[in-house]
Amino acid sequence: AQTVTQSQPEMSVQEAETVTLSCTYDTSESNYYLFWYKQPPSRQMILVIRQEAYKQQNATENRFSVNFQKAAKSFSLKISDSQLGDTAMYFCASRQGGSEKLVFGKGTKLTVNP
Amino acid sequence: GAGVSQSPRYKVTKRGQDVALRCDPISGHVSLYWYRQALGQGPEFLTYFNYEAQQDKSGLPNDRFSAERPEGSISTLTIQRTEQRDSAMYRCASSLGQGADSNQPQHFGDGTRLSIL
Repeated sequence: AQTVTQSQPEMSVQEAETVTLSCTYDTSESNYYLFWYKQPPSRQMILVIRQEAYKQQNATENRFSVNFQKAAKSFSLKISDSQLGDTAMYFCASRQGGSEKLVFGKGTKLTVNP
Repeated sequence: GAGVSQSPRYKVTKRGQDVALRCDPISGHVSLYWYRQALGQGPEFLTYFNYEAQQDKSGLPNDRFSAERPEGSISTLTIQRTEQRDSAMYRCASSLGQGADSNQPQHFGDGTRLSIL
């Protein structure tokens, strides 16, 4: 069975600094997909970034990038130049190839301080 | 509409009542998903539709929970004889589909917060 673990329940960072959120996963499949979602206080669920397991190159989206370590089954999210609007819960999720089901971690609450 | 629309945003009901939660997916999205999110947790998968066909209902906790998508667009999640443990945020998501081996992301609605008294 798939599992996703986020070991940091809460984190904080100063505005304009960089922060890394950790995520590890477990899957028996060789084909899978990984995602980070952001859930701000407005309760939306917003896709931040995604990574295909077969791609060696780490995905980047503007200030957001991932460090995908396939052998270690690690998928951390780096947020550069943190902004107040980045304050949110961040969820890591995985989806096995051949399945439509997303499996989520418990989330990391990130606070960006002015 | 531009995004996934869910209604109502909030639902408070007494234990034992039936509730129906509605999801209107992004136009053109063939796949539709229901998740349940308890407080302080990540969403948990309930069920999935491809067009009008319910392809996976392995996450539905018991037979009080059912879902339908009769015309391949709007979906309804129904909970019968509600219990206090059913209290949670219920989220709907949709995607373009194109098969489980495509990387089409799931786009989520803002959810329905259900409270059972």
